[in-house]
Amino acid sequence: KQEVTQIPAALSVPEGENLVLNCSFTDSAIYNLQWFRQDPGKGLTSLLLIQSSQREQTSGRLNASLDKSSGRSTLYIAASQPGDSATYLCAVRPRNQGAQKLVFGQGTRLTINP
Amino acid sequence: KAGVTQTPRYLIKTRGQQVTLSCSPISGHRSVSWYQQTPGQGLQFLFEYFSETQRNKGNFPGRFSGRQFSNSRSEMNVSTLELGDSALYLCASSSSPGQITDTQYFGPGTRLTVL
Repeated sequence: KQEVTQIPAALSVPEGENLVLNCSFTDSAIYNLQWFRQDPGKGLTSLLLIQSSQREQTSGRLNASLDKSSGRSTLYIAASQPGDSATYLCAVRPRNQGAQKLVFGQGTRLTINP
Repeated sequence: KAGVTQTPRYLIKTRGQQVTLSCSPISGHRSVSWYQQTPGQGLQFLFEYFSETQRNKGNFPGRFSGRQFSNSRSEMNVSTLELGDSALYLCASSSSPGQITDTQYFGPGTRLTVL
């Protein structure tokens, strides 16, 4: 059974710092890995999707990497801003559990202090 | 293009009642998935519909059911509500569920409180 873990559960940093969020998964048989952002009480916003054959994806100040063999992904946020404060979730799409089922981590709650 | 919409946004019910939640996917998207989010269990997959057919189901009791209409709109129903059903219910749609690049787009969710 695929399990996804995110460490740390919460992170607080001053504005302007670069930071890394971690995600690990137990089964490397995945189609892709997706990073989402969730603001309090709201839905999920897709940030980046990395296919299983890719090593990284970039969007603006965000860079996500994937090491499928070791079951790890990182989300790098450059020059953090207070507006980046949110919960960040990673999710994998397993190969053997149906086309659409995503397995989520518990998330990292990020606070950027002005 | 309008995003995924969910109605209602908030619901308060009492134990034993039943509830129906609605999801309208992005125009052109034929796949709709439902997830339950709670503080203790996080996000868990409920079920997925494509072209009015349930393709995949998570580990939830039979009290949780769903359907999809010909216009791709989907509903989920929870019967005999329990306190533990209190959660944020999220719906996601996608256009190409068979492709590895397929991205799911989530709605704002329906916050269900069971008293």
